[in-house]
Amino acid sequence: AQRVTQPEKLLSVFKGAPVELKCNYSYSGSPELFWYVQYSRQRLQLLLRHISRESIKGFTADLNKGETSFHLKKPFAQEEDSAMYYCALTGGATNKLIFGTGTLLAVQP
Amino acid sequence: AAGVIQSPRHLIKEKRETATLKCYPIPRHDTVYWYQQGPGQDPQFLISFYEKMQSDKGSIPDRFSAQQFSDYHSELNMSSLELGDSALYFCASSLTGAPANEQFFGPGTRLTVL
Repeated sequence: AQRVTQPEKLLSVFKGAPVELKCNYSYSGSPELFWYVQYSRQRLQLLLRHISRESIKGFTADLNKGETSFHLKKPFAQEEDSAMYYCALTGGATNKLIFGTGTLLAVQP
Repeated sequence: AAGVIQSPRHLIKEKRETATLKCYPIPRHDTVYWYQQGPGQDPQFLISFYEKMQSDKGSIPDRFSAQQFSDYHSELNMSSLELGDSALYFCASSLTGAPANEQFFGPGTRLTVL
């Protein structure tokens, strides 16, 4: 079955601390993995996609096919990073997204 | 830049009533997706349209129907509403062939069924 698991509903860190939001997936083929972010009162927006291998706002995510993981990392958290983060995948011809349950990141001053 | 527009932003209905949600994709985007997000839940895929034809169907109740019109806007019609239909309904659009077929999301319509 296709599934995305985010084990942490809430992650609270202090400003300047490292952040790692965990994401594991289950998919029979070769999925594309994404991280979406939703800031307070804003719409869902794409943060990262694994095929781009890019760093956005200091965040990176590496696809580990052996561990079926796509954890999101940032070495030094900032208060403006506080938001809801969703890991998601697509793999079918129709491109529908399968989301994890999300992790609320709270960065304390 | 133009974004995905959804209307209305908020909707309150009573049980057994009907509701129509509208989505206006980004100009030139050829695919529209609908997702439902219940309280404390992750967004769940409902249905998608590519070039005005249904392209995929998820866990969408038979009471719901959707279509995409000639101007590419889409409507989600919900009948015999139940309390459990209370949720945030997102629409997203994408352009086939764009990097990763990135989906751009609207602000959502919050439906409350009383």
